[in-house]
Amino acid sequence: RKEVEQDPGPFNVPEGATVAFNCTYSNSASQSFFWYRQDCRKEPKLLMSVYSSGNEDGRFTAQLNRASQYISLLIRDSKLSDSATYLCVVNEGRGFKTIFGAGTRLFVKA
Amino acid sequence: NAGVMQNPRHLVRRRGQEARLRCSPMKGHSHVYWYRQLPEEGLKFMVYLQKENIIDESGMPKERFSAEFPKEGPSILRIQQVVRGDSAAYFCASSSLVVPDTQYFGPGTRLTVL
Repeated sequence: RKEVEQDPGPFNVPEGATVAFNCTYSNSASQSFFWYRQDCRKEPKLLMSVYSSGNEDGRFTAQLNRASQYISLLIRDSKLSDSATYLCVVNEGRGFKTIFGAGTRLFVKA
Repeated sequence: NAGVMQNPRHLVRRRGQEARLRCSPMKGHSHVYWYRQLPEEGLKFMVYLQKENIIDESGMPKERFSAEFPKEGPSILRIQQVVRGDSAAYFCASSSLVVPDTQYFGPGTRLTVL
């Protein structure tokens, strides 16, 4: 089992759609969780941290379920500019080792 | 406030040569991480360093690869005797002592081995 697993994608959605990404992690002792986005041939950029209480930033909502070892990202009212690869990231705490999921590619069409 | 700087942005080497990749962390950041991304694949952790210390190098290949983060100057990822399979994007990230697990990435160095 991979340490961090994401939906394989790609997701093809029309503008204005709501899209949800899922991610599971294997190490129950993991400490912190993030979503990054990566545009083609660019560096990953931090989108948001993920907390057990859930957090929202505009059209983006992230949720963490520690019992199920599951993380989600919801994007509402998709824009063309949301087209990117979304990376689920888990920090295992000890020595700050960080594990990246393989990413889910999103294409938003006009 | 300058972000994470990496240079060169593109590097071409012939098989057997050495590649040196540099990373200057964001101002005030004391933790540096190196990642490798092969074409169409995810990021793979290589090494985590603090000034003058390697904290975790569990992702580094055992041979030909080394990393340092000296007291003064940038962090260096060194690849000796490069092979075609080393062709990849190498990203550096940095984080602060206060929020060590939130990493910010540099633009990457794209290494091509001919």
